Amino acid sequence: QSVLTQPPSVSGAPGQRVTISCTGSSSNIGAGYDVHWYQQFPGTAPKLLISGNNNRPSGVPDRFSVSKSGTSASLAITGLQVEDEADYYCQSYDTRLNVLLFGGGTKVTAL
Amino acid sequence: EVQLVESGGTLVQPGGSLRLSCAASGFALSNYWMHWVRQAPGKGLVWISRINSDGSDRIYADSVKGRLTISRDNARNMMWLQMDSLRAEDTGIYYCTRKAGHASGMDVWGQGTTVTVTS
Repeated sequence: QSVLTQPPSVSGAPGQRVTISCTGSSSNIGAGYDVHWYQQFPGTAPKLLISGNNNRPSGVPDRFSVSKSGTSASLAITGLQVEDEADYYCQSYDTRLNVLLFGGGTKVTAL
Repeated sequence: EVQLVESGGTLVQPGGSLRLSCAASGFALSNYWMHWVRQAPGKGLVWISRINSDGSDRIYADSVKGRLTISRDNARNMMWLQMDSLRAEDTGIYYCTRKAGHASGMDVWGQGTTVTVTS
């Protein structure tokens, strides 16, 4: 059981906006630690999608954006594409446990 | 080209030991905190361990504390994960990654090396 909670799956029609939530607590996201998001396709290594406050590595489309409020963060895909079908993970640091955390992962499907 | 390459994964019996290696190229390892992340078959990512830039500080997930040891040699651009007292639940793909600090994500990942713990 992950300390960062994500929905197991989200889906939407191509072109729609979908969001993935990442719920933590006062010792990680709520303590102000940055939340990073990763994308993983089957059989490949994860890739950094968005780091901290909406910093996208070169090549990541701007249809991906993030937000944070209180003890939660969210990843939004605005204008879902078929090629966005993948697993997405949030990641942060927990100061009480002194560990890094990953969410359980969310599978995104374009219907 | 900035790259991380893991090696050393294999099939090992419960209670056995293994050492994973991570070779960095295209950048100075000394500028980064380095991490190991595991992914069990069909499961999500699990953070295992982190070592700071000069190797003076190491942290571990509770599930591996006392059994796994992270180390690095910046002069050789290498990092390792010594794995002892292995259990079936240690099975998975092990990735090494780099991170510049709390405000930075893990921006470079290796291709992973597979550890299978079974009798």
